[in-house]
Amino acid sequence: EAQVTQNPRYLITVTGKKLTVTCSQNMNHEYMSWYRQDPGLGLRQIYYSMNVEVTDKGDVPEGYKVSRKEKRNFPLILESPSPNQTSLYFCASSPWEGRTSYEQYFGPGTRLTVT
Amino acid sequence: KQEVTQIPAALSVPEGENLVLNCSFTDSAIYNLQWFRQDPGKGLTSLLLIQSSQREQTSGRLNASLDKSSGRSTLYIAASQPGDSATYLCAVEGGSNYKLTFGKGTLLTVNP
Repeated sequence: EAQVTQNPRYLITVTGKKLTVTCSQNMNHEYMSWYRQDPGLGLRQIYYSMNVEVTDKGDVPEGYKVSRKEKRNFPLILESPSPNQTSLYFCASSPWEGRTSYEQYFGPGTRLTVT
Repeated sequence: KQEVTQIPAALSVPEGENLVLNCSFTDSAIYNLQWFRQDPGKGLTSLLLIQSSQREQTSGRLNASLDKSSGRSTLYIAASQPGDSATYLCAVEGGSNYKLTFGKGTLLTVNP
């Protein structure tokens, strides 16, 4: 089954404790992206990646890191989480050929609480 | 900076009604526009994608139009059903970058 998986689905952690949220897709998609969703603010893009070793900032990259060492994986790293990073996080992927973009497939989400 | 606005924020209709959801964006230099559906506690599902060179896309009871010059898109849902109840989001991809900017969504409730 074609899908985007995220782990963990739920996470409660404390301020300053480094964490990684994994994202994996099995569709051989070039484009992958991370979003956070907050009440009243909607979905905002954190980082995106056009392919292996190619990443760029979205609208809210502060406090986050990403890496794209393999095509299928795009982990989101919070080096020192803070309470304002409490949010619902989504990973997404899509095919990408030249400048032709396609529909994005979203993972089920990771609900992160930082106390 | 691109801004995407969706009106109305919430909409409640009786079953069977045809309805229109609106999306506007401030920077017309977009590469494409997508409409998504989000069910409570779930991820997003892509409904329709319109490339900037296209005017509309159709899928079943859904029809999305795009007027890039005026910065507007509409999602038309025909013969609405209770199963259509969800939040509908539109998103635009930047013309000079690959960023995706979302609107805050329209919460649709279709009453039996």
